[in-house]
Formats: sequence, C-alpha cells, structure tokens
Amino acid sequence: GQQLNQSPQSMFIQEGEDVSMNCTSSSIFNTWLWYKQDPGEGPVLLIALYKAGELTSNGRLTAQFGITRKDSFLNISASIPSDVGIYFCAGRRGNAGNMLTFGGGTRLMVKP
Amino acid sequence: KAGVTQTPRYLIKTRGQQVTLSCSPISGHRSVSWYQQTPGQGLQFLFEYFSETQRNKGNFPGRFSGRQFSNSRSEMNVSTLELGDSALYLCASSHRPSYTDEQFFGPGTRLTVL
Repeated sequence: GQQLNQSPQSMFIQEGEDVSMNCTSSSIFNTWLWYKQDPGEGPVLLIALYKAGELTSNGRLTAQFGITRKDSFLNISASIPSDVGIYFCAGRRGNAGNMLTFGGGTRLMVKP
Repeated sequence: KAGVTQTPRYLIKTRGQQVTLSCSPISGHRSVSWYQQTPGQGLQFLFEYFSETQRNKGNFPGRFSGRQFSNSRSEMNVSTLELGDSALYLCASSHRPSYTDEQFFGPGTRLTVL
C-alpha cells in the first residue's frame, strides 16, 4: 500500500544527543502528524501540524510542516533513554476524513 | 477518561476461519477508524466509520468488513482468513472526521493466523 518515505529507518542514540528524522511524499497533504509507538501499544500522537511552513514544539520535540506540503521533519533535542521507540509520520488529505497515510517508521535505539 | 479499548487483545485462528474484533471509542467520540499494522506493509488504513456510516475504505479485499453501532462502538470482521492476515489491528477514535480533530489509538488486537 501507499506509504510516506520516512528516513532513517533506524538509528542509535546516545543520551544527550539531538535526533532528526524526516518524511517525504510525492503527494500534497493538508495535515502532518507525528506518532510514537512503544512495544505492545498503539501509536501516541506527539505533534500535529496543519499549515505549510508551521513549526510546532512539544517539550523537547519540534516538528515542521514543509512549505511544499510534501514533507515534514521531527527533531528531538537532548535525547533521554525513554525516547527509545518507533516514530511514525502520518499525512492526511483535506477530503479524506480521518484516513491517514503512514511512513514506514524510524526505530530509535540506545547505543550500547 | 478511559481510552480506546479493543477486545480481544490477542487472538489465534486458523486459515479459512473468520474473526470479529471489537473497538470501544473514547466516550463522546463518534468517529472510529481501523488500521492494519504488519512488519512488511507497515500501518495501512482499513476503513472509517462515523454515525454508523462507512465514510472511507482502504485498499483491502472484500473479506475485510466493518460496522459501527449507535453507541459508536465498532467491529471489524475478516472472513476466510489467510496467513497474510496475521497483524496488529489498531482502532482509533476521534470526535468527528475533521482535519483538525485528532485520533487516539487503542492498544490493538494481535491476530495470528496459523
């Protein structure tokens, strides 16, 4: 099925490091969302973006809605061990109700 | 306020059987969406219900069906199960299908088809 192109697929983090991930699409979306999923749980909404160019923060997390409406970025500053998990981007078109298209996910792991 | 609840949490079926999964949305939420999550295909939209009406449907075969009741609870049914139907099935609810009204996900039902 159609997915957004999310990168990187996985990355190791060390406590205190900043983390960046992004999502791109060939189609325009009216809403960009970022979720985090922990093992055995459903995705939890982190940040929602509704306007092209919008930059929104939620604590140490900052996300941007690309001006072309075809991409979005998520940054995590000063990472901590509980940031480990899988992060998903999701896009929604204006006429698609609640139908979300998801990226493949970015798995954050702790450096040994 | 209780979150989205899904039952059962785990299910094992054999090929050819059918299965029904249940989702109770957050109180006051009237929109329910279903997603399938697999390692190979990721998270894919199945369908969305609002006020007992299906509003959107993803690209899945007719073996996948759903419905919504007057109390907003929703069920999805998969008939003639195939091995590839093994997945985590997630339900999400929101007040209504609006681009500013965000969805909250349940913990999912893990379906294993043998």
